[in-house]
Amino acid sequence: QSALTQPASVSGSPGQTITISCTGTLSDISGYNSVSWYQHYPGKAPRLIIYDVSLRPSGSSSRFVGSRSGNTASLTISGLQADDEAEYYCSTYTTGRWVFGGGTKVTVL
Amino acid sequence: EVQLVESGGGLVQSGESLRLSCAASGFTFNKYDMAWVRQAPGKGLEWVSTVSAFGIVTYYADSVTGRFSMSRDDSRNMVFLQMNSLRVEDTAVYFCANPYSSGFAYWGQGAPVTVYS
Repeated sequence: QSALTQPASVSGSPGQTITISCTGTLSDISGYNSVSWYQHYPGKAPRLIIYDVSLRPSGSSSRFVGSRSGNTASLTISGLQADDEAEYYCSTYTTGRWVFGGGTKVTVL
Repeated sequence: EVQLVESGGGLVQSGESLRLSCAASGFTFNKYDMAWVRQAPGKGLEWVSTVSAFGIVTYYADSVTGRFSMSRDDSRNMVFLQMNSLRVEDTAVYFCANPYSSGFAYWGQGAPVTVYS
């Protein structure tokens, strides 16, 4: 597994839709259903919001949508809210091992 | 309710050892893999180690291979991370996490580890 690249920051106004990209090698991103996304507030534990590319765990808002195309996975947040302001990480998984992207700071203007 | 509670973090000198523990509750512990993930100050998340269900297999990040050892005690619903030959760059908050499919569904609150030279 190689590194995953995320933009350092993404911003949007309340109510808008933003997308965070996560780029890796074709084998990392397209292999099986191995992409997950996390929301992380400073000083708190990360929270899983998307797993298996596009599935939402119980309690994860329907405003979070995960997708994949080629070697890029994406997290789309619609109806941006103030409490969406956080760090977001993508991750890929392969038998027992995970790789995280560098994280994207989402700012709500 | 699933709970993961880490303990054992602290301040140690470079080259010394530390053992982290994670107590789990609220799920059938022995059926699940468990993992450690860390976050260095100002940095992103980094997967550290995984132990498979029943402790059959362990996996390690290249950065800790040969220095860290992960184990589990299913009789006590606990996992451990033995960290030897600690380096300044191992300074981080260490999270115990419970994998579910491709993601980590549950996380502890983290145990801070500081290594000084």
